[in-house]
Amino acid sequence: EPEVTQTPSHQVTQMGQEVILRCVPISNHLYFYWYRQILGQKVEFLVSFYNNEISEKSEIFDDQFSVERPDGSNFTLKIRSTKLEDSAMYFCASSELTGPDIYGYTFGSGTRLTVV
Amino acid sequence: ILNVEQSPQSLHVQEGDSTNFTCSFPSSNFYALHWYRWETAKSPEALFVMTLNGDEKKKGRISATLNTKEGYSYLYIKGSQPEDSATYLCAFYRLGDDKIIFGKGTRLHILP
Repeated sequence: EPEVTQTPSHQVTQMGQEVILRCVPISNHLYFYWYRQILGQKVEFLVSFYNNEISEKSEIFDDQFSVERPDGSNFTLKIRSTKLEDSAMYFCASSELTGPDIYGYTFGSGTRLTVV
Repeated sequence: ILNVEQSPQSLHVQEGDSTNFTCSFPSSNFYALHWYRWETAKSPEALFVMTLNGDEKKKGRISATLNTKEGYSYLYIKGSQPEDSATYLCAFYRLGDDKIIFGKGTRLHILP
């Protein structure tokens, strides 16, 4: 069964450093998403991406965050200057359709980012 | 701010018993409601996507109902098994959005 792959599974970084989280969505999917979960809190929406541009972003997704689909297969989330409060599990997801997609989103298993 | 609430937050159920839990969401601008099952150290896995008021969906021992007019959905598990232990997330899709908004989840523990 097709999977969404995320790397690395765990990343530790110094505060102020840049990190890039990588995702390989399912090949025939057209819509891509990043979510995160801070420990003990809800899974929060960060950004959705379609046709090589951001279609929607949350208040969390400020100028420190950016997304890119550099080569038609990878989908990356970059945090330019990490803060302690960026520590979370980051999930990538993709979907074939949008709207009431009968299949739902397919999620990766996440990257745990720890900022020290 | 969209509010998606799930209750209870945590639930302990004896193996073999049946159980259910609730997701409530805004009743206006409804588009779809997703249920996901999330096991520790794995990725959330889609269980159901529900779109119509009165929808009932079933997958093995798990089923879900949807009431869009009053803004709630129930997830039922019949004859709980140890492998049902997981966090169950619901997510609301509002008309016009390009995202789903999650509730905090119900963490289900099946006791042997």
